[in-house]
Amino acid sequence: GQQLNQSPQSMFIQEGEDVSMNCTSSSIFNTWLWYKQDPGEGPVLLIALYKAGELTSNGRLTAQFGITRKDSFLNISASIPSDVGIYFCAGRSNDYKLSFGAGTTVTVRA
Amino acid sequence: NAGVTQTPKFQVLKTGQSMTLQCAQDMNHEYMSWYRQDPGMGLRLIHYSVGAGITDQGEVPNGYNVSRSTTEDFPLRLLSAAPSQTSVYFCASRGPVYRANYGYTFGSGTRLTVV
Repeated sequence: GQQLNQSPQSMFIQEGEDVSMNCTSSSIFNTWLWYKQDPGEGPVLLIALYKAGELTSNGRLTAQFGITRKDSFLNISASIPSDVGIYFCAGRSNDYKLSFGAGTTVTVRA
Repeated sequence: NAGVTQTPKFQVLKTGQSMTLQCAQDMNHEYMSWYRQDPGMGLRLIHYSVGAGITDQGEVPNGYNVSRSTTEDFPLRLLSAAPSQTSVYFCASRGPVYRANYGYTFGSGTRLTVV
């Protein structure tokens, strides 16, 4: 599979903060996807991006498909406790297979 | 509710045992796949199928077999379990690509421990 570099690996959030994470690849992708995984569950699709430069929002989530087609970022605005979980980026290549990043673990700061 | 159903949710095996992880979807999706999730490594593709009777290898296929006799079911077989196969396994399916919906639907996972 193709290597996706996702950062940061983990982060602590305080309620109300804006948080940001990103993914980069050495290869071009045709689609970027962002998933969230809650404990004991499978990943759930948050946002799908289909075109270079595309900026898409889903509630407090905003994601962008990088112009070079090799990167994407996800922003969460005004974070709330239920935002904790693991966020994965995924890129789709021409053969329709997905390559996943290693994930960003979001935890609430005590 | 429509979706991807995986069984069992938890399993402990002894080294050398074999078992089958079950996956079923009721969305009439042609594409189904199996991933394993290990800490710090994201999800890695084991095997996938683009339709009944068609399967292919993913990134980490060794030690696993699959078959696709129906559209609904895509079982994953561990032939001779090894401790390196301790992982969380996810089955995922996807609808037709022409609908511009490339998001996969995942099952809730099977947590497998090989001792």
